Amino acid sequence: DAKTTQPNSMESNEEEPVHLPCNHSTISGTDYIHWYRQLPSQGPEYVIHGLTSNVNNRMASLAIAEDRKSSTLILHRATLRDAAVYYCILRDGGLGNNDMRFGAGTRLTVKP
Amino acid sequence: GAVVSQHPSRVICKSGTSVKIECRSLDFQATTMFWYRQFPKQSLMLMATSNEGSKATYEQGVEKDKFLINHASLTLSTLTVTSAHPEDSSFYICSASSTRGSRSEAFFGQGTRLTVV
Repeated sequence: DAKTTQPNSMESNEEEPVHLPCNHSTISGTDYIHWYRQLPSQGPEYVIHGLTSNVNNRMASLAIAEDRKSSTLILHRATLRDAAVYYCILRDGGLGNNDMRFGAGTRLTVKP
Repeated sequence: GAVVSQHPSRVICKSGTSVKIECRSLDFQATTMFWYRQFPKQSLMLMATSNEGSKATYEQGVEKDKFLINHASLTLSTLTVTSAHPEDSSFYICSASSTRGSRSEAFFGQGTRLTVV
């Protein structure tokens, strides 16, 4: 998997939007951008993924730069339950490299 | 979302014994399964990837004979920690994906906290 770079930590206020950045300058044409989050003492939870176009689902939005070298996960209204470690991962959409490795992620703190 | 069930959620075993952890995809066929371990305050470390119908591919530094992985069917994978020692104490997590490659998302089990005494 190509490497991703995320800030170690971020803070947000409750009910405000949060923009979590991810840099992936060595992304290849077949790499999908995946986001997962992990709450304390739980397995990770899928958030969203995309290839080129921006994506929206009930949890979040994913904004992908035109050159695909960076992306931003957007939580529209942070709640205390969104406090977690957020991981941005690149995965090859082809049938070759099939693994899924995690970086350090961003620890999001939500203040009431 | 899809459900991946991991069992047990917590286990304590004596040093030298073996422990088996099960990972089941409840409502989809898992073509690919991943096994991770996670130490406190650290990220997930990939141990091995198994594709249905193939032997597991282990990451460098992970002992195949110690961490036995069996992808028995499209809905079940097991991780057996053999001759466990205190340094094997960790949080073990499985993940399942319905297609090879990353066109679909992966779903994770709840994790198993292993304590070897």
